[in-house]
This record gives sequence, structure tokens and C-alpha cells, in this order.
Amino acid sequence: DTGVSQDPRHKITKRGQNVTFRCDPISEHNRLYWYRQTLGQGPEFLTYFQNEAQLEKSRLLSDRFSAERPKGSFSTLEIQRTEQGDSAMYLCASSPDRVVAEAFFGQGTRLTVV
Amino acid sequence: AQKITQTQPGMFVQEKEAVTLDCTYDTSDQSYGLFWYKQPSSGEMIFLIYQGSYDEQNATEGRYSLNFQKARKSANLVISASQLGDSAMYFCAMREGRTGGFKTIFGAGTRLFVKA
Repeated sequence: DTGVSQDPRHKITKRGQNVTFRCDPISEHNRLYWYRQTLGQGPEFLTYFQNEAQLEKSRLLSDRFSAERPKGSFSTLEIQRTEQGDSAMYLCASSPDRVVAEAFFGQGTRLTVV
Repeated sequence: AQKITQTQPGMFVQEKEAVTLDCTYDTSDQSYGLFWYKQPSSGEMIFLIYQGSYDEQNATEGRYSLNFQKARKSANLVISASQLGDSAMYFCAMREGRTGGFKTIFGAGTRLFVKA
């Protein structure tokens, strides 16, 4: 297992289109996180899963955003009817099921909405 | 309310000198973890060091050490003998236990510039 992988690495889409990102976590990690990061800012929590259960969703996440983790393995993040404000880096991370365990990050998906 | 506060948007340090990056946090949980990550211009998030809330000793990893002051709720990162390659964004993060839902949240970051 080589770490957390995200696909695609870059996505350019027209405003109003739907996009879907995929994250494959480290296989033995129960927890999977999605973050959004804009230039010069820290990662902003969006949502996270323990196995297949989505435990929390940030209030920042509008109804246009949805995430799934079927079977507790890979996860997808879908953005419907994209807006220019959705342009950002979307980071996925995974960690073991312990409080004191670092999260391992993927390379991110950079979304540009034109 | 901000749970992780990094008050230094940018810091400069001379090569080979030590630098301290500040981080304060807010939690009512007894069990939590504190983490520091480095993000170079390439964009990847690199884990540096962590400290558990019950750890009595300050964490150290090579040139990185975490100055943990629990009563003051601070977890400052100390980088000794700075190198040019240390120039990057540095993020402090916290994972709370049950009351915080076990999620990891990040501060706004500090950009470190190492001068030759």
C-alpha cells in the first residue's frame, strides 16, 4: 500500500456541471476525511467517515455536496451544479481509529470552475 | 469559536537558527492529540510530529520538538538548526476524542521563510 491516492489530480469544469472525486485511503485505516483548502489557508474540514458511516458533515457544506464511502473502502465526493466559489484543492486523508494517530493525506484534487 | 489558533501568518528565520511556531488550542475533551504538518509549495501535507494529551514528555522528532504546555493549551513547534528546505507552510492540528467526534481540525497556518 503506497498511501492515500486521489483521482483526478486536476479537474477543470464549467459552472453548473457536476464533478466527482475519488479517494482511496490506506487499506487498514477506518477513518477517512475530506477537506477543502484554498490558497494560503489551512485545510477546512468538510466531512468524515468511520468505515462506511458518515459521522459528521460541516455546516459549510451545502446541499450540493455529497460524500459516500460504500463498504468502508474508497470514498467519493460529488459536487453538483458547481460554482466558481467551489474552486479549491480537495484533500482526502485517512487515519487509524485512535485519537493520537496522524492522518495521512493524499495529493489532493485541484478543482477549477470556469 | 476557533479551536486552533496560529497567530503568526509569516515568520522569518536565519538559516541554522532555531524558530518557534505558535499554536494554541481550545478543547474540553480530556483525550486529544496535537499534530504539526508541513506543506511545501508542492502542496503535499507532510506529517511532522504529534503529542498526546496524556503524554508528560514533550515530543521530539529529529530537528522538530513540540513545546506542550497543557495548562496554557499551547503546542508550539520548535525547529532547530533551520535549513532552506524548511521554508513552507506549517499547520497545527488537533484531534479531539469523543466530544469532538474524533475529527482532525487545522489552524490557518504559518508561512516560514528561511533566509540564507
